Amino acid sequence: ILNVEQSPQSLHVQEGDSTNFTCSFPSSNFYALHWYRWETAKSPEALFVMTLNGDEKKKGRISATLNTKEGYSYLYIKGSQPEDSATYLCAFYGSARQLTFGSGTQLTVLP
Amino acid sequence: EAQVTQNPRYLITVTGKKLTVTCSQNMNHEYMSWYRQDPGLGLRQIYYSMNVEVTDKGDVPEGYKVSRKEKRNFPLILESPSPNQTSLYFCASSLEGEANSPLHFGNGTRLTVT
Repeated sequence: ILNVEQSPQSLHVQEGDSTNFTCSFPSSNFYALHWYRWETAKSPEALFVMTLNGDEKKKGRISATLNTKEGYSYLYIKGSQPEDSATYLCAFYGSARQLTFGSGTQLTVLP
Repeated sequence: EAQVTQNPRYLITVTGKKLTVTCSQNMNHEYMSWYRQDPGLGLRQIYYSMNVEVTDKGDVPEGYKVSRKEKRNFPLILESPSPNQTSLYFCASSLEGEANSPLHFGNGTRLTVT
């Protein structure tokens, strides 16, 4: 069973703060790493699909980095806003040829 | 509008009463899959389909069936639901497989089996 760990499990930040969280995954047999944003009562939405070591992706105030050699990815949110409140999921795709999801980081941005 | 449509959104049923959750996508995606979400756990894959008439088991297939007779539809069938199948279910599709294509999720079906 593959281990995809996300930390922290939850965090609260003040509006305007920048924040980041981590996704750890097996460093061998890497194919891709996905990030999704899941707002309450909605469905998960894709943020990034990352495939190359050292890859950096950006979408507005959200960015992600990828280190496949050591098996981690960081998601950064710059200047958090209340609308950023959501659960952020990462998912690892490896030689098992299926996506394995972490249990998510629940972010609450306080106004 | 490009979307994945699941129905119903909420379903309460009793043990043993067969049910079907429908899933349809209008993006001409090759790949479709079903997941369940339980508290404290990541999304777990139930079944997936790489194309019409091609389906395969995911991590937790016991108690479920699927079919892919048409490209756009991928229903999830519970022949004899049990309380441990109470969960939040998501259908998803992607252009080609799970590796490099992002998943597009439906709005979810919250199932309660009493």
